[in-house]
Amino acid sequence: KAGVTQTPRYLIKTRGQQVTLSCSPISGHRSVSWYQQTPGQGLQFLFEYFSETQRNKGNFPGRFSGRQFSNSRSEMNVSTLELGDSALYLCASSLDLGTALVEQYFGPGTRLTVT
Amino acid sequence: AQKITQTQPGMFVQEKEAVTLDCTYDTSDPSYGLFWYKQPSSGEMIFLIYQGSYDQQNATEGRYSLNFQKARKSANLVISASQLGDSAMYFCAMRERRTGNQFYFGTGTSLTVIP
Repeated sequence: KAGVTQTPRYLIKTRGQQVTLSCSPISGHRSVSWYQQTPGQGLQFLFEYFSETQRNKGNFPGRFSGRQFSNSRSEMNVSTLELGDSALYLCASSLDLGTALVEQYFGPGTRLTVT
Repeated sequence: AQKITQTQPGMFVQEKEAVTLDCTYDTSDPSYGLFWYKQPSSGEMIFLIYQGSYDQQNATEGRYSLNFQKARKSANLVISASQLGDSAMYFCAMRERRTGNQFYFGTGTSLTVIP
């Protein structure tokens, strides 16, 4: 079974631009979460989607948004990029078994550099 | 309050020796799951091991074991017979039944295996 895939792997953007990152979960996984990882702030939760609905949201400004498609693939968008948005963006997927507490599987990440 | 605390920013271990990475957690939910992830320098987060709050025995996966002390709210990762390839960041994480979908991550411990 293929793992979580993320595209692109590397991205360089300029301040003020916007960017869209893509994530394809493991087949059968309907929950997709996004995280931002920086050396200073560590791993921070952005949001989680399930069945095309955002179920959880972290403490990030409205410039960060996401969506999920009917095939469970997810995208996240960052508008009006700032230098501080430079980070590794990780996507993770998991089975949703109701109240079962199952693990997440992560993709390789997209490394975004804002100049 | 921090949900997950990892107090060891960096650890060193001799090759073939065992090492314990500390993790304490904070929750009032009686039903929760604890997870450990490994992040090599490549960036991808790799799921290692899971422990449920109602599990009577400590979880083990190959050279990884989880020393679960419920009363102390600790979930330490033990790596036996360390290998050079174990050098990486290690993250402890928790998921609560009442919040269901969100993972809480610690700040990580950087492990270096010395030949």
